[in-house]
Amino acid sequence: GAGVSQSPSNKVTEKGKDVELRCDPISGHTALYWYRQSLGQGLEFLIYFQGNSAPDKSGLPSDRFSAERTGGSVSTLTIQRTQQEDSAVYLCASRGPEGATNEKLFFGSGTQLSVL
Amino acid sequence: SQQGEEDPQALSIQEGENATMNCSYKTSINNLQWYRQNSGRGLVHLILIRSNEREKHSGRLRVTLDTSKKSSSLLITASRAADTASYFCATPYTGKLIFGQGTTLQVKP
Repeated sequence: GAGVSQSPSNKVTEKGKDVELRCDPISGHTALYWYRQSLGQGLEFLIYFQGNSAPDKSGLPSDRFSAERTGGSVSTLTIQRTQQEDSAVYLCASRGPEGATNEKLFFGSGTQLSVL
Repeated sequence: SQQGEEDPQALSIQEGENATMNCSYKTSINNLQWYRQNSGRGLVHLILIRSNEREKHSGRLRVTLDTSKKSSSLLITASRAADTASYFCATPYTGKLIFGQGTTLQVKP
């Protein structure tokens, strides 16, 4: 597609339920990032995929959070047993192949997750 | 951490005035980027400045970088109501792009 697509745009769930958030990066982009943004706050790095390398999971806040990227394209962020503090906007971004002209990130519109 | 920090956290100005936002970071970088965010959703890349550059312009945007002070500034000249948004600096760190907390800019008509 022309841009990074995230779905759903909004998700309301009950505490304790599992949720899956999807990200379709720009075609041909080898790097994919997930960030979390709580209301009025900055972006918190969660996880980073680069090509076929092992993902950098250093930002995942707990083992309830996991992400995968299938076929080097679509990514799914899964949050198990959701808690109210998980409520936030989850942003996905992608970047072209490594190189001096591909350093900027392209962001999706995010998924607003509300845990009741 | 590698995270940049913006200053001020919030800025309110009149249309036509200039807006200046500052960013400080902690370790050596090869570039620094500025992004804009409207309504708490997706960010849009504004400008990238490399470590060997001191100043860069793009339209009404002017970015400076002082690697000795580990700081950058974003100047928006002749601001418009449509410039109302949050602005973030971002620095690369071990392949990741780490964002600061942002400056919320309000431009009053």
